[in-house]
This record gives sequence, C-alpha cells and structure tokens, in this order.
Amino acid sequence: NAGVTQTPKFRVLKTGQSMTLLCAQDMNHEYMYWYRQDPGMGLRLIHYSVGEGTTAKGEVPDGYNVSRLKKQNFLLGLESAAPSQTSVYFCASTARRGTNTDTQYFGPGTRLTVL
Amino acid sequence: GESVGLHLPTLSVQEGDNSIINCAYSNSASDYFIWYKQESGKGPQFIIDIRSNMDKRQGQRVTVLLNKTVKHLSLQIAATQPGDSAVYFCAESYTGGFKTIFGAGTRLFVKA
Repeated sequence: NAGVTQTPKFRVLKTGQSMTLLCAQDMNHEYMYWYRQDPGMGLRLIHYSVGEGTTAKGEVPDGYNVSRLKKQNFLLGLESAAPSQTSVYFCASTARRGTNTDTQYFGPGTRLTVL
Repeated sequence: GESVGLHLPTLSVQEGDNSIINCAYSNSASDYFIWYKQESGKGPQFIIDIRSNMDKRQGQRVTVLLNKTVKHLSLQIAATQPGDSAVYFCAESYTGGFKTIFGAGTRLFVKA
C-alpha cells in the first residue's frame, strides 16, 4: 500500500501559468481533501470530495478548481497562478464518515512557489 | 465561529521528560478529536484520537485527555525522545460533518 501519493513534490511557476496537482490513494477511501499550509496558519481546506464525481468548496477555494473523475484520484488545478498561492499543498483521504475510521491520511505534500 | 486553537506555540523539553501539549476548541458540537504529528518536510501523521464519550485514551507513550466542560484537549507524551521533535496539531470534527478543523500547531523541541 502506497497510501496517499502526490505529484509533483516541488514546482516553481510564473505568475499566470497554470498547473495541476495530482493526488492518488489506494485505500479505497470515499473522502478526499486538498489543504494548503502556510507558516503559522495551520492547514486550511481548499476543496473536498465526498465521493467519485462530487466536489465541494472548503475554506479558501478561490483561484482553485478540482475534479474527482475516479475514486482514487483527486486533482487540484490552478488556472492562473498568483504569488499568494505560494504554499505547501497537502492531499488527504479518509474512509466514509460515521465509522470509526475518520482519521485523515495525508500525502507528503507539494511545495509550490509562484514567482 | 468554529475554531481550534493551542495555548502554546512552542514547547521545549528535556529528553526523558514528559511533554504536555494543550488545545482549546470552541465548537460544542464537535464529537471527534485527533492529534497529528508533522515532521519537517512531511505530511501530518495520525497519533491518537478520542471521541466525546470518552475522557481519556492511551496509546503507546501518548495519552489524550478531553475535558468537555471547558472544551480543552491535551496530548501527553511520556519519556519524550528526540524523535518526538515535530509540530503537533489538534483537530476537531463532528458526526455528519465533512470537514476537519485544524489548529495552528505547537512546535515541540526535545533537548538531548
């Protein structure tokens, strides 16, 4: 089991460029999340998905889009990158809520710098 | 609004001592609480959790205490080791909700 993997690990973009971050999980989890982590601010939820084909906005969704075409994958897109989107991005997944397995499993993160 | 916060942003302890990391939460509807450990350059990793029908839960060298009266959560690490140096996050969620709210984190330094 690889758990939660993220691609790429590092990326540098110029303002206005676009990119897609890929998250994959092999635990058959229903729920997947994208967070950003900035110094001193903890983890902030960008978007999340409660199942294949569904997405919803989190706390800081502006400037990001997501897609969950397959249960195991959750993609985060930046259409026009801005310096304010410089951050470390984490993907997480969890089994269906209401069980005793609400623990979120996190990927290793993607460090994104926008110049 | 909902929030999960920590009393101490940094904590420095001597190797072998016990560590206590505190957390306050404000959403009385939260019924599930988790502690995560994040080492430098890595994603958060689950340490221990507790549900609101419990006051205490023990793991290997770690204990979580929940005081619902004052909305307070703590993580106790026994015989702290250098490998325990990391940032620790508390988090809360509630049954039926889709989101987990994370605190800002406490950095634990272990002095050899």
